[in-house]
Amino acid sequence: DVKVTQSSRYLVKRTGEKVFLECVQDMDHENMFWYRQDPGLGLRLIYFSYDVKMKEKGDIPEGYSVSREKKERFSLILESASTNQTSMYLCASSWTGLNEKLFFGSGTQLSVL
Amino acid sequence: GESVGLHLPTLSVQEGDNSIINCAYSNSASDYFIWYKQESGKGPQFIIDIRSNMDKRQGQRVTVLLNKTVKHLSLQIAATQPGDSAVYFCAEKGNYGGSQGNLIFGKGTKLSVKP
Repeated sequence: DVKVTQSSRYLVKRTGEKVFLECVQDMDHENMFWYRQDPGLGLRLIYFSYDVKMKEKGDIPEGYSVSREKKERFSLILESASTNQTSMYLCASSWTGLNEKLFFGSGTQLSVL
Repeated sequence: GESVGLHLPTLSVQEGDNSIINCAYSNSASDYFIWYKQESGKGPQFIIDIRSNMDKRQGQRVTVLLNKTVKHLSLQIAATQPGDSAVYFCAEKGNYGGSQGNLIFGKGTKLSVKP
């Protein structure tokens, strides 16, 4: 089975802190994604990556950056966390090609105080 | 703009009944559709998908129907069980606009199964 692992289930950070959310997938997927999920707003795409060292902005990239130094790992970085970044963060991965199915991690619930 | 939406935010069914969750999409160029199930505290899990060259696809206890004429997608769950209680998301994939070929998700329908 495909496994997408997010390093933390819950995180509590202070405003202004630099926050790293880590994601690792074990199926050699080319594509990796970061979403945030908020009540009433559904899943919104923050950033995605089609290959190592490549990144593309999604719908809501402001306040975030990403890093993909290795194929299996995709990191989401909050340079200076703010309270409006309190959310559930979901990482996903997929193969390139006709199979667009995304495999999701369990999520990281981030609270910024 | 493009959107994927759901007719009902909540659905309550009796255990053993069939459930139907609906989804409307707005872009006729979308060529792939997918349903996910998300249980409380977990990430979304794949249920079933369908391409635009099909109008029906069946899985284990689930069926997805695609009506391209009215741009409507539905998920049918047969003999609904308590374990089916979750939020269900539809998503579409279309190579248009800012989506860049990625999935665009609806806001979800919460299914509650009464024993």
